[in-house]
Amino acid sequence: AQSVTQPDIHITVSEGASLELRCNYSYGATPYLFWYVQSPGQGLQLLLKYFSGDTLVQGIKGFEAEFKRSQSSFNLRKPSVHWSDAAEYFCAVGARWDDYKLSFGAGTTVTVRA
Amino acid sequence: GAVVSQHPSRVICKSGTSVKIECRSLDFQATTMFWYRQFPKQSLMLMATSNEGSKATYEQGVEKDKFLINHASLTLSTLTVTSAHPEDSSFYICSARDFRNPGTSIDEQFFGPGTRLTVL
Repeated sequence: AQSVTQPDIHITVSEGASLELRCNYSYGATPYLFWYVQSPGQGLQLLLKYFSGDTLVQGIKGFEAEFKRSQSSFNLRKPSVHWSDAAEYFCAVGARWDDYKLSFGAGTTVTVRA
Repeated sequence: GAVVSQHPSRVICKSGTSVKIECRSLDFQATTMFWYRQFPKQSLMLMATSNEGSKATYEQGVEKDKFLINHASLTLSTLTVTSAHPEDSSFYICSARDFRNPGTSIDEQFFGPGTRLTVL
């Protein structure tokens, strides 16, 4: 069965510091991989996605993620965090053969301190 | 573009009553809508997949008689929680995409802001 693990429940970073959020998956084949951000009162917003090709993908808001097949990981990074990056971040996987349904990780809450 | 709305944003009801949540695609036609449930500090769990004009497909463990889903038009899907109980209290989120649109990729699944249901 497919599963998505986000090991870090809560991360606190200083504004301007770098951020890395971890995501590991277990899937029948290489799935489509996503990172979403959820702010209070707002819907999930897609940050970036990986389908195939270059394993380092760039997203919106200065985020990037790297797919590592050998580690079944898709970690999200940002070199310099802004206070507005405080939110809940979800890693998700999906596949064409699974009718594009998304399986989500438990999420990581990011707090940014001044 | 690609905005999905949900109504209401919050609802409080008494145990035993039914509650209807609407999910609308405002500027595109959604052939498929997904309904998720999210518990505090937990992940989104897919409840069902709703295709316009046909019966919803429910995930294992989701009671179809308890969570009635209707997708009667290309812009509206509704989730009705019947005979609600306190354990049904949760955050319900819908998403929508248009599978018919050529070139639509898997990422074009747009999420609503969610509905907070509290059952007393």
